[in-house]
Amino acid sequence: GAGVSQSPSNKVTEKGKDVELRCDPISGHTALYWYRQRLGQGLEFLIYFQGNSAPDKSGLPSDRFSAERTGESVSTLTIQRTQQEDSAVYLCASSLVWGPHNEQFFGPGTRLTVL
Amino acid sequence: EDKVVQSPLSLVVHEGDTVTLNCSYEVTNFRSLLWYKQEKKAPTFLFMLTSSGIEKKSGRLSSILDKKELFSILNITATQTGDSAIYLCAPARGGGTASKLTFGTGTRLQVTL
Repeated sequence: GAGVSQSPSNKVTEKGKDVELRCDPISGHTALYWYRQRLGQGLEFLIYFQGNSAPDKSGLPSDRFSAERTGESVSTLTIQRTQQEDSAVYLCASSLVWGPHNEQFFGPGTRLTVL
Repeated sequence: EDKVVQSPLSLVVHEGDTVTLNCSYEVTNFRSLLWYKQEKKAPTFLFMLTSSGIEKKSGRLSSILDKKELFSILNITATQTGDSAIYLCAPARGGGTASKLTFGTGTRLQVTL
């Protein structure tokens, strides 16, 4: 596709359940980023992947959060035992290569609501 | 810890007005600063600034960076209702494995008729 895609667009779950969010980056983009945006707040970095290098997980808020990426393609963000404070929009972005001089293109996001 | 402060937090103007949005930052190993416009969910890219004092322009939008005073401004002239959005500033730091953007909370701009 032409842009970054994410699925599902909306997810409502019950507290304690696990959820899996998916991101398809732009073809050829080697870097992929996950962000979280709580209502009324700024974007919060979670994790990024660059090629086959070990991911930078420094932004993951707890060990309930994990993410995987297969090569330079799809990534999944998994939240285990969801809590109400996990409710947010989860945004994925990709860039051609890793680094601060490369524009990140954002997907439409997944709105997660934990009841 | 990296810090980004945007001001004002929100702004309501009339169509045709000019607005200036501010972003100040404290970022370790600063490399560049990006501006994004966020409507609904996904931010869209506006500018990337790497050098001080060089204005970047795109239509009615322009932006400039001051690396000595650690701030950037985004100007929008002759505002239109379609400019209503949240404007996000994101300095990027480089080096090692720590290259990532730190986003400010944004300035919410509302342009009324």
